[in-house]
Amino acid sequence: RKEVEQDPGPFNVPEGATVAFNCTYSNSASQSFFWYRQDCRKEPKLLMSVYSSGNEDGRFTAQLNRASQYISLLIRDSKLSDSATYLCVVKMDSSYKLIFGSGTRLLVRP
Amino acid sequence: DAGVIQSPRHEVTEMGQEVTLRCKPISGHNSLFWYRQTMMRGLELLIYFNNNVPIDDSGMPEDRFSAKMPNASFSTLKIQPSEPRDSAVYFCASSLYRATDTQYFGPGTRLTVL
Repeated sequence: RKEVEQDPGPFNVPEGATVAFNCTYSNSASQSFFWYRQDCRKEPKLLMSVYSSGNEDGRFTAQLNRASQYISLLIRDSKLSDSATYLCVVKMDSSYKLIFGSGTRLLVRP
Repeated sequence: DAGVIQSPRHEVTEMGQEVTLRCKPISGHNSLFWYRQTMMRGLELLIYFNNNVPIDDSGMPEDRFSAKMPNASFSTLKIQPSEPRDSAVYFCASSLYRATDTQYFGPGTRLTVL
């Protein structure tokens, strides 16, 4: 079983739609959680950290459910520029090592 | 400020040849990471340096791969001899401190081994 699992998609949505991605992780000792964004043929970039109480950054909302070991990302009012692959990432606090999911691809159409 | 710099951006070589990938981390960062990304395996950590010292090379696939960091501003990843299955995008990332959450990735080197 992979340490971090994501639905690869693609999720194909119209502009303005709300879309949500989930990610599950297998190691209950995981302590830090992140969403990275990767555009086609580009490097991954940190989108947002995920906090236990949930957090919001503009149109993006991240949630963590430790009991069920899953993380979610909600994007409201999708823009064409949101088209990218979204990588779920977990880390043990005692470790430098980021464990990446394989990513969920989002396509936002006009 | 300049981000992580990698060179070359693209490399096409023939099986058996030596390949050297280069990375310049962000100035002042003391942690450096080499990753490999493929469709099949996603992003995998190959090796991690802290203060120019290799701390964890457990992700290096085999002896054909080696990495060095002779100083705080330069690192290399070498594959010798290269094989077609080494074809991938190789990313270098740096972060300020070992425990920091944010790793900043370079643009990557797209390697094709024929």
